[in-house]
Amino acid sequence: AQKITQTQPGMFVQEKEAVTLDCTYDTSDPSYGLFWYKQPSSGEMIFLIYQGSYDQQNATEGRYSLNFQKARKSANLVISASQLGDSAMYFCAMREGPGAGSYQLTFGKGTKLSVIP
Amino acid sequence: GAVVSQHPSRVICKSGTSVKIECRSLDFQATTMFWYRQFPKQSLMLMATSNEGSKATYEQGVEKDKFLINHASLTLSTLTVTSAHPEDSSFYICSARVSTGTVTANYGYTFGSGTRLTVV
Repeated sequence: AQKITQTQPGMFVQEKEAVTLDCTYDTSDPSYGLFWYKQPSSGEMIFLIYQGSYDQQNATEGRYSLNFQKARKSANLVISASQLGDSAMYFCAMREGPGAGSYQLTFGKGTKLSVIP
Repeated sequence: GAVVSQHPSRVICKSGTSVKIECRSLDFQATTMFWYRQFPKQSLMLMATSNEGSKATYEQGVEKDKFLINHASLTLSTLTVTSAHPEDSSFYICSARVSTGTVTANYGYTFGSGTRLTVV
């Protein structure tokens, strides 16, 4: 079974509108971390936001927020006030295990977001 | 802080030759480095995990004799694609595990900028 599932291969959003990118995960480890990265066409991986499994509140970073629903094992990324520069691939990733260990990240297949002027 | 410099960013090589990709941690010590491969419009697939001073651990299906990983120091990890063939053309990216005890940038992971390899 896939550990990270992103069901939206592509999404379109109007500039200045909000958009939600879906991510569900599968793990039996009680300690884990969830990440969202943006990958523009240049290829670099840009860290956006992090949510730890024990975090009580949803993470927010500027225009990015993470809708963390632990019981449903979902960690959706919400981008508010979309900008043309937000057009990119977005990857959800998970670290299984506590933050202090050298655990790999497992990535979803990604969602290609296109912002329409 | 926690910057990983990856070189080269792009490389074109002839079939049968070898190519070395370097990832240097500029302002921290990278005890663990992850190497990923990404085909066009696909996700990042972990190839191997290397820890400084020890042999790399390869994922199932990755040829260790073809993709040589060396992590001889805390600031340098290299991936050498030996006897490259057109099917090895891909985007390769490294990611350093950053100790949360010393640097907390990006919650423990920092990526190089990637290398686009084209084998002709």
